Amino acid sequence: EDQVTQSPEALRLQEGESSSLNCSYTVSGLRGLFWYRQDPGKGPEFLFTLYSAGEEKEKERLKATLTKKESFLHITAPKPEDSATYLCAVHVAGGADGLTFGKGTHLIIQP
Amino acid sequence: NAGVTQTPKFRILKIGQSMTLQCTQDMNHNYMYWYRQDPGMGLKLIYYSVGAGITDKGEVPNGYNVSRSTTEDFPLRLELAAPSQTSVYFCASNKGQGTYEQYFGPGTRLTVT
Repeated sequence: EDQVTQSPEALRLQEGESSSLNCSYTVSGLRGLFWYRQDPGKGPEFLFTLYSAGEEKEKERLKATLTKKESFLHITAPKPEDSATYLCAVHVAGGADGLTFGKGTHLIIQP
Repeated sequence: NAGVTQTPKFRILKIGQSMTLQCTQDMNHNYMYWYRQDPGMGLKLIYYSVGAGITDKGEVPNGYNVSRSTTEDFPLRLELAAPSQTSVYFCASNKGQGTYEQYFGPGTRLTVT
């Protein structure tokens, strides 16, 4: 069974304090790994797609990386507006054509 | 572009009632999806469609039905609502063509009492 595990479940940082969120996956036939941001009461907002080990993507203070077993979302010098739940998802070959999601990391950035 | 829109935003149903959650996208995407999100859980795929007239079951399809008569619309039907269907429902779309990232609507929060 395809599995996506995110850690930690929750993370509280001071403004400017850099850190990383982890997404480990156990799947057969990875077609892509995705990071989303979700604000309270809103739908997930697409951030990044990573297709192969070694790939990196950046957007403002966020940088996503991928290995054969896990992905990291690095947050550099975060600001309070980066507070959100960050979701990791995978798309695998075969089976239903949908994404398998982790439970998310709830990130709080304190001023 | 409005992207993916969903109506209603909120709804309260009594056990045994039925309703349709509406989803429309204006990006001309072929692929559309319905997910549910329960507290502390990851999003779960209910149904999906790879084009007009084609639908298929996801991980948790029981108690739901879908149809896809146009590229733009993908309604989700709940028959005989049960408390276990209390959840937040998200519709998403993807253009296909070798890409897999999905774009989500704002969600419908449904309570069944």
